[in-house]
Amino acid sequence: DAGVTQSPTHLIKTRGQQVTLRCSPKSGHDTVSWYQQALGQGPQFIFQYYEEEERQRGNFPDRFSGHQFPNYSSELNVNALLLGDSALYLCASSTGGGGARETQYFGPGTRLLVL
Amino acid sequence: GQQLNQSPQSMFIQEGEDVSMNCTSSSIFNTWLWYKQDPGEGPVLLIALYKAGELTSNGRLTAQFGITRKDSFLNISASIPSDVGIYFCAGRRNNNAGNMLTFGGGTRLMVKP
Repeated sequence: DAGVTQSPTHLIKTRGQQVTLRCSPKSGHDTVSWYQQALGQGPQFIFQYYEEEERQRGNFPDRFSGHQFPNYSSELNVNALLLGDSALYLCASSTGGGGARETQYFGPGTRLLVL
Repeated sequence: GQQLNQSPQSMFIQEGEDVSMNCTSSSIFNTWLWYKQDPGEGPVLLIALYKAGELTSNGRLTAQFGITRKDSFLNISASIPSDVGIYFCAGRRNNNAGNMLTFGGGTRLMVKP
């Protein structure tokens, strides 16, 4: 049973460029959440997708957008990259019932470096 | 963005010693979670706490959900070298709009054999 997978593992971009990161959820999961983890800090919630719609959003600008496909996989897009966008981007999957005992399983992340 | 206050930031201990770390918040959470993150990997769930006052164990790990719902602690007994890593607390409010996690800044644990 494959866990959460993310691609690519590493990425280098320059300021102003656009980037797309991809996530495949754990088998049986239908909800995908994205987090940004800056070096030496805890993850920060970007947004969550359920039933192909953005269900909840954290305090991130509109440059950060996403999409969920019918097979529950998801993409995170970041436009007009800034140096401060350099971070580890984590995807977490869960079941969408939203119950109190919902567990989010994390992928290994995509490390983005913006030069 | 909002983060939980986690302490200590780092610990360097001898193998076999017990470890204690805690997490506090200015607001209430309905679920407290403890994760461990190894280099190059995503966080892995260690313990989940769902009720104020709850004390839960997972092997050598024990965690408690504070009565005020604004804090939690994690204890590791008889530490071993593979306990090395970064430990994160996370809180969740469990509302109908989604189940986002709010993380602490992490405690980096180093164990000397």
